[in-house]
Amino acid sequence: LAKTTQPISMDSYEGQEVNITCSHNNIATNDYITWYQQFPSQGPRFIIQGYKTKVTNEVASLFIPADRKSSTLSLPRVSLSDTAVYYCLVGDRIPSGSARQLTFGSGTQLTVLP
Amino acid sequence: NAGVTQTPKFQVLKTGQSMTLQCAQDMNHEYMSWYRQDPGMGLRLIHYSVGAGITDQGEVPNGYNVSRSTTEDFPLRLLSAAPSQTSVYFCASSYSQGQEDNSPLHFGNGTRLTVT
Repeated sequence: LAKTTQPISMDSYEGQEVNITCSHNNIATNDYITWYQQFPSQGPRFIIQGYKTKVTNEVASLFIPADRKSSTLSLPRVSLSDTAVYYCLVGDRIPSGSARQLTFGSGTQLTVLP
Repeated sequence: NAGVTQTPKFQVLKTGQSMTLQCAQDMNHEYMSWYRQDPGMGLRLIHYSVGAGITDQGEVPNGYNVSRSTTEDFPLRLLSAAPSQTSVYFCASSYSQGQEDNSPLHFGNGTRLTVT
């Protein structure tokens, strides 16, 4: 199974930019990289997805280098409400090939301080 | 749209009891899946379904059964509950999970299960 590695935790202050890097050395050629956010007592929520280079939406940016062995989620000007666990995912091919098995790692606990 | 709805929100079982966790989605998603989340271990895939009548095992299927008789519903059955199944269970769905598809997963808010 393709594995992802992220820092276990990060602290930041309100108004700062936060960058969370994920390594995925065994990413398959046609796999996308997807990031989710999870608040306590809630299910994960989709933030952003990309294949290569840079993707930006109203919430975050995603930077992916040419070799695609890592990716960086960038959250601009974080607030207290951005305190959450952030997961990086890549798809895994199961033997039968009928569907992708999405593997979640342990995620990164981001704590935003006042 | 309600999205993905899970019931119940909380449940306490005694060892050996059986129960069914319900999951329903109103987005006409083909793909549905069940994850369990334990402290420090992220989310682990239990079972998934790529459409009505089709199910398959994920990473940790032992002790759980699923069925998919309709597109909307994907119940998870615990056959004989064990303390090791104490966890938070999440149901998720997406438009498709074929080889070339990367549709994001939509998650419910989870069922917190305690087995004593």
